[in-house]
Amino acid sequence: KNQVEQSPQSLIILEGKNCTLQCNYTVSPFSNLRWYKQDTGRGPVSLTIMTFSENTKSNGRYTATLDADTKQSSLHITASQLSDSASYICVVTPYSGAGSYQLTFGKGTKLSVIP
Amino acid sequence: EAGVTQFPSHSVIEKGQTVTLRCDPISGHDNLYWYRRVMGKEIKFLLHFVKESKQDESGMPNNRFLAERTGGTYSTLKVQPAELEDSGVYFCASSQVPGGLGDTQYFGPGTRLTVL
Repeated sequence: KNQVEQSPQSLIILEGKNCTLQCNYTVSPFSNLRWYKQDTGRGPVSLTIMTFSENTKSNGRYTATLDADTKQSSLHITASQLSDSASYICVVTPYSGAGSYQLTFGKGTKLSVIP
Repeated sequence: EAGVTQFPSHSVIEKGQTVTLRCDPISGHDNLYWYRRVMGKEIKFLLHFVKESKQDESGMPNNRFLAERTGGTYSTLKVQPAELEDSGVYFCASSQVPGGLGDTQYFGPGTRLTVL
């Protein structure tokens, strides 16, 4: 069964500090992995996308890493800001030649950045 | 450019009633997806339209759910009759190119459905 597990479930950090969120997946075969940010009351917004051949991808203060051998990914947030408070969701797209593009979502990590 | 919009933002109904959710995708996006997040669980796929055709509806929980996309523009998701376990947030997303690196799914804000 394809699964995506994220840790921690929630995290509180001080403004300006760095943090790292973890994602383990069992999805196989695998097409790509994305990290989404979801603000309260809004839909998820894509931050990064990586294929199995990529090890790292950056988007401003967000850096995602991927180890396809161990099926692990992380999202590192540098110099956190209050606006980073949100849920961060790891999403894996299974590879399918049959035209199916079902995304497999993790439950997300709820990040709270406090002053 | 307008994003994906969903209506209503909230809906509270009683068990046994019918509710219809609407999604307007980004203009020009042929691919439209419905997802659902039940409290405490992860977001789960329901179905995928390509234009007006159902490409994949394997995630639909049962025959009380009916999705349509007449004309390949907006889509509706009807729940009839609603049950308590249908409560959750229903997201719609759209994309230009399905799958792979070219496919970024843009999500709407969701419809929060509460069945009492």
